[in-house]
Amino acid sequence: GESVGLHLPTLSVQEGDNSIINCAYSNSASDYFIWYKQESGKGPQFIIDIRSNMDKRQGQRVTVLLNKTVKHLSLQIAATQPGDSAVYFCAESPGTDKLIFGTGTRLQVFP
Amino acid sequence: EAGVTQFPSHSVIEKGQTVTLRCDPISGHDNLYWYRRVMGKEIKFLLHFVKESKQDESGMPNNRFLAERTGGTYSTLKVQPAELEDSGVYFCASSQDLGEVQETQYFGPGTRLLVL
Repeated sequence: GESVGLHLPTLSVQEGDNSIINCAYSNSASDYFIWYKQESGKGPQFIIDIRSNMDKRQGQRVTVLLNKTVKHLSLQIAATQPGDSAVYFCAESPGTDKLIFGTGTRLQVFP
Repeated sequence: EAGVTQFPSHSVIEKGQTVTLRCDPISGHDNLYWYRRVMGKEIKFLLHFVKESKQDESGMPNNRFLAERTGGTYSTLKVQPAELEDSGVYFCASSQDLGEVQETQYFGPGTRLLVL
């Protein structure tokens, strides 16, 4: 069936280092991908998205890379800060408005 | 501009009771979605409204769940009667309709439902 999975449930990084959060997806029909950040007690917060006609998209301190050949998505956070500590979800959309979420990766930033 | 709001933030009810969750989307957003996360699992889609019409309700678990969006503004999600397995966090999201199939969905803070 359709699924989006994450390789690492928890990622620990030192403040100032770069973080890379990975995500695998299984639906070849997916053409839209989003990364969300969720802090405790809050809803998912949009970070960045990318459509399947692109391989890379950059935002402020974040970059999303899409490799359609191996169905892999990654989120890179530059100069990770304590405020980046949260659970990060990737989500895919197979040509519809319905989002299919992964299980999430917890990012912990240490001083 | 106000984001997506949800009410209540928390709800504790007994099995068999009825609960109604409310979502107010971002002003001007025609698309409204309900998702939920149960038992620490991944967030799962429930349904999608375009204005007052149900576009996709393929994720609704059973007929104990009823979603409405009268007037195409706010939406309610009623669970009647509630069961233990309905416990979880219910999220609402909204997006604009700009002609693309997928527009960015902005989420509310969620309603944490606990059924005892």
